[in-house]
Amino acid sequence: QKEVEQDPGPLSVPEGAIVSLNCTYSNSAFQYFMWYRQYSRKGPELLMYTYSSGNKEDGRFTAQVDKSSKYISLFIRDSQPSDSATYLCAMSEDSSYKLIFGSGTRLLVRP
Amino acid sequence: DADVTQTPRNRITKTGKRIMLECSQTKGHDRMYWYRQDPGLGLRLIYYSFDVKDINKGEISDGYSVSRQAQAKFSLSLESAIPNQTALYFCATSDWTTGGGETQYFGPGTRLLVL
Repeated sequence: QKEVEQDPGPLSVPEGAIVSLNCTYSNSAFQYFMWYRQYSRKGPELLMYTYSSGNKEDGRFTAQVDKSSKYISLFIRDSQPSDSATYLCAMSEDSSYKLIFGSGTRLLVRP
Repeated sequence: DADVTQTPRNRITKTGKRIMLECSQTKGHDRMYWYRQDPGLGLRLIYYSFDVKDINKGEISDGYSVSRQAQAKFSLSLESAIPNQTALYFCATSDWTTGGGETQYFGPGTRLLVL
C-alpha cells in the first residue's frame, strides 16, 4: 500500500464548478501538507501549504486537513480553464526535506 | 520559474550510455534535490544535498550518482542507462525556515528516453 493515495482522474468539470481534490494517507506522523500544481511540460509549483489539521484559504483555493481521518482536500471555487493541470498532494512528518508525494490528479476545466 | 533551470530539456539515449543531467539555480538556496516522475508513481527522491559537502541518497538512488559542483549547481548522472530509467526528471531547491517547514521549488524537468 502506498503511503499517499490520490485518484489519478482525469476529472472533467465545466467552467465555474467547484472542484474537490483529495488524498488519503496511512502515516499518522505526517504533520505538513502541501498541494502542488503541475501544468503540462512544467515542474510542480507550490499552491497551498498547511500544518496539522484545519483549513487554509487563499483566494479561490481552500485546503483542508482532517488528521483523524487521514484525509486532505483541495477545493477550487469558480474553476477556470487555466486551472486545468495535474494536482499533486505532498506531505512530511516534520519540517524536513522528506516529502512524500501522491501520484497526482489530472483536472480538466471545460470552457 | 527561470530560478531553477535544467539542461537538457529532452534527451534520447541508448542502453549502456552514460549521461548527465544538469541543474542550476539562482535562488540562493543551500538545499537541492533530484526526483524522477513516472506515471502512477508520483515524484520519488533520487538524491538530495543540503550543501556542497553534504550529499545523501534518497529513496531510489541505485543506478544514479550526483555531483554538487557549487551551491548553485547539482548534476545527476546515469552511469549506464537502462530502459526503466526512462522518466521525467526534476531538480528542486528548498527554502527551509526554522519552524516554517519546507518549500520546494522545481525546475521545468528533463524528459529522458532510454532505448
